[in-house]
Amino acid sequence: EPEVTQTPSHQVTQMGQEVILRCVPISNHLYFYWYRQILGQKVEFLVSFYNNEISEKSEIFDDQFSVERPDGSNFTLKIRSTKLEDSAMYFCATRGTRGGYGYTFGSGTRLTVV
Amino acid sequence: GQQVMQIPQYQHVQEGEDFTTYCNSSTTLSNIQWYKQRPGGHPVFLIQLVKSGEVKKQKRLTFQFGEAKKNSSLHITATQTTDVGTYFCAGPSIYNQGGKLIFGQGTELSVKP
Repeated sequence: EPEVTQTPSHQVTQMGQEVILRCVPISNHLYFYWYRQILGQKVEFLVSFYNNEISEKSEIFDDQFSVERPDGSNFTLKIRSTKLEDSAMYFCATRGTRGGYGYTFGSGTRLTVV
Repeated sequence: GQQVMQIPQYQHVQEGEDFTTYCNSSTTLSNIQWYKQRPGGHPVFLIQLVKSGEVKKQKRLTFQFGEAKKNSSLHITATQTTDVGTYFCAGPSIYNQGGKLIFGQGTELSVKP
């Protein structure tokens, strides 16, 4: 079964440092999303991406966040200057154009800001 | 903005007992999706319901979508230890073109053998 691959699985970073989280979507999927989940809490929408541009972003997705698809395969989330409250599990999710199949989530990157 | 509420937050059952979680959206949904997240895992898609009043079954799991397309439920008959995890409902509002999913807070199910 096709998978969404995320790297790294765990990232520890100093406050103020930049991090880049990477995702390899399923090859024929066209809609890409980043979600985050603070430990024990619900899954929160960050941003959606389609046709090489942001479709929608949440209030969480401020100027410190950016996304891009630099080489047509990877889909990245960059946090420019990390804060302690950015510590969370970050999930990449993708979906195809056919209805009824939901999102496919990657296994996530656990980001710890110290 | 759109909000999705789920109750209960936690449910502890004895193996063999039934389990139900309820989901309510503040806005009409174009569809409702259910996901299961095992401890330490990622959300895994279970099912999508689209039609008003729709009922779907997957073995011991029964999913329902309300007539007004604002509420949904998941019922598990005769729970097993493999059912342990957090069950999330999620839906895109009919007013949202990009298909972004808003998740409920989830119901964490624990099953005592």
